[in-house]
Amino acid sequence: GAGVSQSPSNKVTEKGKDVELRCDPISGHTALYWYRQRLGQGLEFLIYFQGNSAPDKSGLPSDRFSAERTGESVSTLTIQRTQQEDSAVYLCASSQGLGTNEQYFGPGTRLTVT
Amino acid sequence: EDQVTQSPEALRLQEGESSSLNCSYTVSGLRGLFWYRQDPGKGPEFLFTLYSAGEEKEKERLKATLTKKESFLHITAPKPEDSATYLCAVHSGGSNYKLTFGKGTLLTVNP
Repeated sequence: GAGVSQSPSNKVTEKGKDVELRCDPISGHTALYWYRQRLGQGLEFLIYFQGNSAPDKSGLPSDRFSAERTGESVSTLTIQRTQQEDSAVYLCASSQGLGTNEQYFGPGTRLTVT
Repeated sequence: EDQVTQSPEALRLQEGESSSLNCSYTVSGLRGLFWYRQDPGKGPEFLFTLYSAGEEKEKERLKATLTKKESFLHITAPKPEDSATYLCAVHSGGSNYKLTFGKGTLLTVNP
């Protein structure tokens, strides 16, 4: 079946602009996660959605970052007033959401802030 | 705070030369340890989940093992197509469902 998809695959933006990244999870997966992967670093947790529960936003690095999810489908990660340190690959993952479940990742969006 | 350390950072093998990658972890109550493979420009691909010390899982040339402090990913007779970055991650009791990742081991298998 279809895996996790993300768009755009690449995004180049100027410092100070806002960007929106999109994630389509695997159908039927109730849990959705956003991670950030900086060059030479491990994946860094950003935010977690589970069904209709309040999201876990504990990993968001600043109030310039926000994310939304519509029901158990598409999610968007928004970065306002982008800074050069926001340059990274943003990865989305989904899982069945019960207990300890494997997370399946999308291909990522490579964000470059110039 | 959960911590995951992977070693070595990079490993270069000849085709057929078996070896092991290490993942050491410190967590407050392990609920699962995950291995992923990541190819350049792609998202991580799930390989294994291990839940308790002594558990082992195999897939083709890969075997993952788990102790109370570390996990090993053994690669037997590797092929060039096994070249990738291998990521280790843990899910602990105090972290909801988020995974804490190590920085990975870049494996290169030369023909």
